[in-house]
Amino acid sequence: QVQLVQSGAEVKKPGASVKVSCKASGYTFTSYGISWVRQAPGQGLEWMGWISAYNGNTDYAQKVQGRVTMTTDTSTSTAYMELRSLRSDDTAVYYCARYLGGGYCSGSTCYDAFDIWGQGTMVTVSS
Amino acid sequence: DIQMTQSPSTLSASVGDRVTITCRASQSISSWLAWYQQKPGKAPKLLIYKASSLESGVPSRFSGSGSGTEFTLTISSLQPDDFATYYCQQYNSYFTFGPGTKVDIK
Repeated sequence: QVQLVQSGAEVKKPGASVKVSCKASGYTFTSYGISWVRQAPGQGLEWMGWISAYNGNTDYAQKVQGRVTMTTDTSTSTAYMELRSLRSDDTAVYYCARYLGGGYCSGSTCYDAFDIWGQGTMVTVSS
Repeated sequence: DIQMTQSPSTLSASVGDRVTITCRASQSISSWLAWYQQKPGKAPKLLIYKASSLESGVPSRFSGSGSGTEFTLTISSLQPDDFATYYCQQYNSYFTFGPGTKVDIK
């Protein structure tokens, strides 16, 4: 079945980096974009950025621009999200999510609803 | 940036009730709106995309409507499995989620 499986929980100190993986299965990886969304404890959902699994194009939310890098490895159908210079307010559950298909692209960014989500990865930033 | 608001923030309802949640965008987003359901400790689940299209496998008691800046999610007859938090999301210009509406048991 179509699924995204993420790496396990992480505990990091302020100033460190974290890299979360998201392994896709059950579909052609390069045919769909992937977005990353995070959710701080008890809070709502925040979009962080997207990557085209087809050509590697990325676009990031202004809030994390400069600290985040999203990549893919098409040989293993895996997407990665690295966040650097971690702060306490980066403590959150991080989700990868697949594009539904049928959205639209403007410039180098594509827009779509998210039909398949990973199970989430808890990242805790604490001294 | 496009801002999204939802009302109400919390809704208390009984099984069998008709439930309506409203989502408003700060500027027109055409029909580029999705609705998600999230239960505690779980990832969001897509219910509706492009404002009114029902995602495959989602029960027909869920429906969406609207365009431009005002949208609604309706659950025609609330079921025990529907007690959850619901988020709208615009994907017209970047991505913004609404703050959520928690549907709990009356």
